[in-house]
Amino acid sequence: EIVMTQSPATLSVSPGERATLSCRASQSVSSNLAWYQQKPGQAPRLLIYGASTRATGIPARFSGSGSGTEFTLTISSLQSEDFAVYYCQQYNNWPPLYTFGQGTKLEIK
Amino acid sequence: QVQLVQSGAEVKKPGASVKVSCKASGYTFTSYGISWVRQAPGQGLEWMGWISAYNGNTNYAQKLQGRVTMTTDTSTSTAYMELRSLRSDDTAVYYCARLYDGYFQHWGQGTLVTVSS
Repeated sequence: EIVMTQSPATLSVSPGERATLSCRASQSVSSNLAWYQQKPGQAPRLLIYGASTRATGIPARFSGSGSGTEFTLTISSLQSEDFAVYYCQQYNNWPPLYTFGQGTKLEIK
Repeated sequence: QVQLVQSGAEVKKPGASVKVSCKASGYTFTSYGISWVRQAPGQGLEWMGWISAYNGNTNYAQKLQGRVTMTTDTSTSTAYMELRSLRSDDTAVYYCARLYDGYFQHWGQGTLVTVSS
């Protein structure tokens, strides 16, 4: 099983500043990496797939980068609605055997 | 628009089974796979397994092998997830999600399953 490790567990950032979240895979997943945002009481929402492609309707302040085992989600200028928990997910297996990172909580500083 | 509507909350006793449904609309059901993902209270997301809505092929997370069964009913565009021999640590919100190329494009609203004696 591919283990996904996110860091940090909690990130405190002020509105308007940049946030950088990391995700590491225990073995290469190529670019088969997605990012999700989850707010309390809501289902997760797809932000990024293919490591760097924004999903439909996702603002340009969200960007993803990386390949292989190291990935980054950057939010360029934090808005109040961006404070949430973020998960990475790898989908490099067939048949499907997917795994999530444990999440990074982005909180207001 | 794509919608996944799940069945309502359940309360079960340890050792019982639960079956959660996920009714899809707004797209051709058999063209996409469905995965189930669960989230224990205050915890992260756990992938449970996948089913092809086209041919019913499945693959489950190893830790749930033998206790989980995923099925579909193409006549009603509905996916089902049954979990047996429930334990207290199965208490969670269970989500269905439509797959595209391995990532989860659309999610159901979630179904809370509480296991308690």
